[in-house]
Amino acid sequence: DAEITQSPRHKITETGRQVTLACHQTWNHNNMFWYRQDLGHGLRLIHYSYGVQDTNKGEVSDGYSVSRSNTEDLPLTLESAASSQTSVYFCASSDGYNEQFFGPGTRLTVL
Amino acid sequence: SQQGEEDPQALSIQEGENATMNCSYKTSINNLQWYRQNSGRGLVHLILIRSNEREKHSGRLRVTLDTSKKSSSLLITASRAADTASYFCATDGGKLIFGQGTELSVKP
Repeated sequence: DAEITQSPRHKITETGRQVTLACHQTWNHNNMFWYRQDLGHGLRLIHYSYGVQDTNKGEVSDGYSVSRSNTEDLPLTLESAASSQTSVYFCASSDGYNEQFFGPGTRLTVL
Repeated sequence: SQQGEEDPQALSIQEGENATMNCSYKTSINNLQWYRQNSGRGLVHLILIRSNEREKHSGRLRVTLDTSKKSSSLLITASRAADTASYFCATDGGKLIFGQGTELSVKP
């Protein structure tokens, strides 16, 4: 069965370190998204991609970057982790104007 | 900025009762979607209603959309304890914008 996976599921890091969160989907979807979820803010869009080599900034992109070298993967990199980036991160994929399929999430703590 | 705003923020009902959650949004949309999130889990898509549709059903779920009022409602009939979760509306105008969600608690 097709799925979308995220790794790691939990990560603790220190301020200033570079962190990369992985997202892999086997739906063969062109569209992939990264969100963060914080109490009181719902889900906020960080970056998204509509296909290989395409990346776009979302609502809260500062301090984050993504790259899309193939259809299946959209890794999210925190160049220099900050305590304000402590959050739960969700990856999602979709095919056009249809439902998004979400991964299980990565809980990131920046100390 | 958030596009969808859910109301109420929290709802507590007894098993068997109906649960209604509302969503308002600000700009034009292609479709509106409702998602469910169990505690500690990812979001799961429930239902999608397109901008030219007014009502849609899926099992115990009924969604309405009023584009003139820029609002939608999700009705869960005959609720069960297993329906306890957070429910989010998301508007699609090119990319999904989520509201802050309604936390539904269904007591047995």
